[in-house]
Amino acid sequence: SQTIHQWPATLVQPVGSPLSLECTVEGTSNPNLYWYRQAAGRGLQLLFYSVGIGQISSEVPQNLSASRPQDRQFILSSKKLLLSDSGFYLCAWSVRTGMYFGPGTRLTVT
Amino acid sequence: DQQVKQNSPSLSVQEGRISILNCDYTNSMFDYFLWYKKYPAEGPTFLISISSIKDKNEDGRFTVFLNKSAKHLSLHIVPSQPGDSAVYFCAAGGSNYKLTFGKGTLLTVNP
Repeated sequence: SQTIHQWPATLVQPVGSPLSLECTVEGTSNPNLYWYRQAAGRGLQLLFYSVGIGQISSEVPQNLSASRPQDRQFILSSKKLLLSDSGFYLCAWSVRTGMYFGPGTRLTVT
Repeated sequence: DQQVKQNSPSLSVQEGRISILNCDYTNSMFDYFLWYKKYPAEGPTFLISISSIKDKNEDGRFTVFLNKSAKHLSLHIVPSQPGDSAVYFCAAGGSNYKLTFGKGTLLTVNP
């Protein structure tokens, strides 16, 4: 069966510091991968998606970036965090008619 | 432009009764729809989906209804249980493998 891992589970970072969140998927090959963010009181916002290694599509302008160095690895990064980057970050993978989420990372920028 | 709307931010229901969660969409290119349940500090869990070629899909206590002409779908939970208390997200997808989510509805089932 497929499993999706995210780490860390929680993170507190000061403004201006870098960020690296990692996501890995097991039990499938060539998945579509996604990063979503849930900000306080808001829905799930798609940040990035990837249909293959090195292929990244950005949905919203921001100071975040994503990379997919391996088939089942998806990384969310920032060089300098902003207060507005606080939120709950979710990695997901999909098949044709379904999307499955990881456990999420709670990021607090102070 | 919000393509998927959940107009009720919250809903409160008595245990044993029916919970009805509503969702509207504007993009006629969406051809499949999903419902997710989310507890605080956890990732959303897939509940049930429906393709645009159907108008109803049932799985245990959960039934999703789709009205394409009205661009409306709903999730029915019968009977509601206290463990169903969570945020429910409606999502819609098309041919590009991306999902667009609503803002969610907080369901509270009272014992």
